Amino acid sequence: AQKITQTQPGMFVQEKEAVTLDCTYDTSDPSYGLFWYKQPSSGEMIFLIYQGSYDQQNATEGRYSLNFQKARKSANLVISASQLGDSAMYFCAMRESTGGFKTIFGAGTRLFVKA
Amino acid sequence: DAGVTQSPTHLIKTRGQQVTLRCSPKSGHDTVSWYQQALGQGPQFIFQYYEEEERQRGNFPDRFSGHQFPNYSSELNVNALLLGDSALYLCASSEDRDSMDVPEAFFGQGTRLTVV
Repeated sequence: AQKITQTQPGMFVQEKEAVTLDCTYDTSDPSYGLFWYKQPSSGEMIFLIYQGSYDQQNATEGRYSLNFQKARKSANLVISASQLGDSAMYFCAMRESTGGFKTIFGAGTRLFVKA
Repeated sequence: DAGVTQSPTHLIKTRGQQVTLRCSPKSGHDTVSWYQQALGQGPQFIFQYYEEEERQRGNFPDRFSGHQFPNYSSELNVNALLLGDSALYLCASSEDRDSMDVPEAFFGQGTRLTVV
């Protein structure tokens, strides 16, 4: 079974509008961490935001926020006020306490920001 | 301060050959992880090195091996290359911490390997 599922292969958003990128995950581990990364065409992975499974509040980092719904096992990324530079691949990822040090990534969503 | 640097940036090899990819971690980092990212997919964990030893390994065959040097830099070696080994190979560095809430925040730009 897929541990991380990103159902949107591609998304379009108008500049200055908000966009939500979906992520669902599967784990039986009560303790885990969820992450979002941005990958521009240059290839490097840029860490955006983190949410712990025991965190009561949704994480926010500048224009990025994570809509964490634990019971539904979803961790959607919300980007507010989209900018042209936000066009990139976005990956949802997870670390489980029983998984050791590896990070498990989803297949990604390509975001296109239109001027 | 240089971040994570990988070399070479691009490489073309023939099936059956061997390849070595290199990674220099960010200054102050002692842990290096390697990931394989096939076209159109997310990265997959190959292994992690800490204190010059392989600490954890993903679901990759023994053809994939690595090494970490005393200066914390690392190499990824792939023997008997297959066409399916064509991918972007990413290196991530971090400080060793026993906490799953610490993201791997520093990645290199990767080595694009093409096997023909």
